[in-house]
Amino acid sequence: EVQLVESGGGLVQPGGSLRLSCAASGFTFSFYEMNWVRQTPGKGLEWVSYIDSRGATIYYTDSVKGRFTISRDNAKNSLYLQMNSLRAEDTAVYYCATKFRNGDFYFDYWGQGTLVTVSS
Amino acid sequence: DIQMTQSPSSLSASVGDRVTITCRASQGISNSLAWYQQKPGKGPKLLLYAASRLESGVPSRFGGSGSGTDYTLTISSLQPEDFATYYCQQYQTTPSFGQGTKVEIK
Repeated sequence: EVQLVESGGGLVQPGGSLRLSCAASGFTFSFYEMNWVRQTPGKGLEWVSYIDSRGATIYYTDSVKGRFTISRDNAKNSLYLQMNSLRAEDTAVYYCATKFRNGDFYFDYWGQGTLVTVSS
Repeated sequence: DIQMTQSPSSLSASVGDRVTITCRASQGISNSLAWYQQKPGKGPKLLLYAASRLESGVPSRFGGSGSGTDYTLTISSLQPEDFATYYCQQYQTTPSFGQGTKVEIK
């Protein structure tokens, strides 16, 4: 059974940093592409970042470029999102999500999410 | 960016009802559309992809159709476990989601 468990969320002040983690199990993590997607009551679901199976190809949505860094450790079956220079508008539940199919950019499995709140 | 517009934003229905949710893209997406179900406190669950292909393990009462810019999710006979929020997502370009349709008990 595929399991994705996010952690690392919390309350942080504007301009601060946070590192999210996603522990994966139930599939061969090193074979597959991974993503971060966030959700807010106001803006809904928003894709944030993508990383390929080896970490060689990475994409970000425009609003986080230069501030967020996605990475992975295949030996630890883990995905990460380093978030710097956080803004109020980054407040959201952050999900890690798998992308099993080459080419088609939809998300097969999602974790339960971790809440990030950016507020003074 | 492609904008996805879902309708309705919410609906009330009874067990056994046929339910239809519509998703319209701001430009053609060539059937590059997925549907998800989300329950409170959980991440979304993939139901369909390529507009009409059922994900493994998803009940056959869920169906998808459409082409071009207009797509539909149909639940043929609503079951108690189907009360949830449903989202469409296009992947023709940078992924983007509809705003969701909440299906509530009538």
